[in-house]
Amino acid sequence: AQTVTQSQPEMSVQEAETVTLSCTYDTSESNYYLFWYKQPPSRQMILVIRQEAYKQQNATENRFSVNFQKAAKSFSLKISDSQLGDTAMYFCAFPPQGGSEKLVFGKGTKLTVNP
Amino acid sequence: EAGVAQSPRYKIIEKRQSVAFWCNPISGHATLYWYQQILGQGPKLLIQFQNNGVVDDSQLPKDRFSAERLKGVDSTLKIQPAKLEDSAVYLCASSIRQGRTEAFFGQGTRLTVV
Repeated sequence: AQTVTQSQPEMSVQEAETVTLSCTYDTSESNYYLFWYKQPPSRQMILVIRQEAYKQQNATENRFSVNFQKAAKSFSLKISDSQLGDTAMYFCAFPPQGGSEKLVFGKGTKLTVNP
Repeated sequence: EAGVAQSPRYKIIEKRQSVAFWCNPISGHATLYWYQQILGQGPKLLIQFQNNGVVDDSQLPKDRFSAERLKGVDSTLKIQPAKLEDSAVYLCASSIRQGRTEAFFGQGTRLTVV
């Protein structure tokens, strides 16, 4: 079965500090994409960052970066210089068929940034 | 660029009633998805359209849920009759094409069945 596991239901961090959210997945595919989505209270899912499995270099988007360990099937999200606006649910997502379709989501991590 | 539009934002109905949700994807996006997100869980795909054809509806409870995407643009998801366990947020998403492209989500409809 192709699954996504987020082992941290809730996390908190002080403003300006760094926090890492973990995600593991299971697949038999060799080439695929992995995604982190942010869902604020407004409910709209917003793509934070995307990683292509065939690329060895970890993806980076401003304050957001990933630590992608393909052999370990691990895909963690690091948020640097945390801001109050980063408070949200964060979901790791993965397309079982390898393409960007039929995303399977983890259960999410609720991140709270404290002032 | 306008985003994915969904309506209504909120809906409260009694069990056994029917309800419909509407979604208008980003212009030019061929692929449209409906996800169900139960409180405390990640979204689960209900149905995926490519233009006006169904690509995947394996997790759609077809005895009560139906969806259509006439003319390959906007889409409607219907529940009839609703059950208590259908209480959830229903998210619509679209992407340019089926494949390795980003999906953009709407703000969702929060359904409460009482």
